[in-house]
Amino acid sequence: QVQLQESGPGLVKPSQTLSLTCTVSGGSVTSGGYYGSWIRQHPGKGLEWIGNIYYSGTTFYNPSLKSRVTISVDTSKNQFSLKLTSVTAADTAMYYCARSPPCTTACQYYFDYWGQGTLVTVSS
Amino acid sequence: EIVMTQSPATLSVSPGERATLFCRASQSVGSNLAWYQQKAGQPPRLLISGASTRATGIPARFSGSGSETEFTLTISSLQSEDFAVYYCQQYYDWPPWTFGHGTQVEIK
Repeated sequence: QVQLQESGPGLVKPSQTLSLTCTVSGGSVTSGGYYGSWIRQHPGKGLEWIGNIYYSGTTFYNPSLKSRVTISVDTSKNQFSLKLTSVTAADTAMYYCARSPPCTTACQYYFDYWGQGTLVTVSS
Repeated sequence: EIVMTQSPATLSVSPGERATLFCRASQSVGSNLAWYQQKAGQPPRLLISGASTRATGIPARFSGSGSETEFTLTISSLQSEDFAVYYCQQYYDWPPWTFGHGTQVEIK
């Protein structure tokens, strides 16, 4: 059974960089060939896709956040990570990592496994 | 960016009744549409992909239909555990993949 777990600071100061890691268990990030995504949810609001990464390092980012986002993968640790720079209070949200199903003849970019989420608050 | 619009925002339903939720895309997404259920304090859970294919372990009372721009999620007989927020997501045109704002299904 695939499981994802987010980790990282719950409090980040304005203008600093938010850094989170998603650890995947029950399956390798390199086997099967799937994309790992970061998705956030502002308090009481809907879901916003931030970006994703393939085990090879290919990334896609939400254009609205692209200038501030970097997603990377560490296959040796079975992890992928998010960095969001120059944060403001508007970046306060629950951050989820999620997996899209393995790519076969094509990739399907819905999300079949999710982490429990980690709440990040931006405040001084 | 494809905008996903869900209606209604809130749906009040009695246990045992049928619930019908709607999702409209601002342009065609074919059948590249997923539905998720989110309960308070939990991450979203995949219900439906490909507009109509139930995910593993999802009860048969959940069904999805539609294509192009108009989609429906039907819960045939609401159980107590079904009261939650439901989101649709398109994965046809990217980036970004986009979600609707959700429909809250509450007890009438």
